Amino acid sequence: EAGVAQSPRYKIIEKRQSVAFWCNPISGHATLYWYQQILGQGPKLLIQFQNNGVVDDSQLPKDRFSAERLKGVDSTLKIQPAKLEDSAVYLCASSLSRGSTQYFGPGTRLTVL
Amino acid sequence: AQSVAQPEDQVNVAEGNPLTVKCTYSVSGNPYLFWYVQYPNRGLQFLLKYITGDNLVKGSYGFEAEFNKSQTSFHLKKPSALVSDSALYFCAVRDPREGNTPLVFGKGTRLSVIA
Repeated sequence: EAGVAQSPRYKIIEKRQSVAFWCNPISGHATLYWYQQILGQGPKLLIQFQNNGVVDDSQLPKDRFSAERLKGVDSTLKIQPAKLEDSAVYLCASSLSRGSTQYFGPGTRLTVL
Repeated sequence: AQSVAQPEDQVNVAEGNPLTVKCTYSVSGNPYLFWYVQYPNRGLQFLLKYITGDNLVKGSYGFEAEFNKSQTSFHLKKPSALVSDSALYFCAVRDPREGNTPLVFGKGTRLSVIA
């Protein structure tokens, strides 16, 4: 079974630019998560989707971050404009349903200069 | 609110020796507990989980973890460490009572197995 796919794997941008990340979850997984992992810390949930609806976005900085999951499959996470403190690895995960085991993609490492 | 503590930033062990990576948690009710491993430039890989039942949980790659409710701990163990086990290990907890609570991760413990 194919795992969670993410692209790009690496991205370098300057502050105030915009960037978008893409995630394709495991087939059949209804729940999709975006996490931010800052160096030296554990992943922190940014947003959770159940099919194409947002379940939890309480920790998403909504002034600059946005995410969507059209058609309940693929998802994109966007940052506009980026700040230096957004430098992190952005992880996508999926699970069969809310509360079941989450499986992670390889992540996108973002560097903001 | 739930939380997880991984008290050791780094654990060093000789190849062939047993290893333990510590985790303690704070949750109001009965927790769901997880261990994930992260290799360089890779995403998190699921190792094992405790939901209910037997306190000793067996997972991937020979790892196991013991749920201890009285000590609120969920330490990860392996009887004989391999150099290939060297990676970053994350403990995570979720409180299933509170609807859709997120998975909360510890800050990670770097395991180094020395040949």
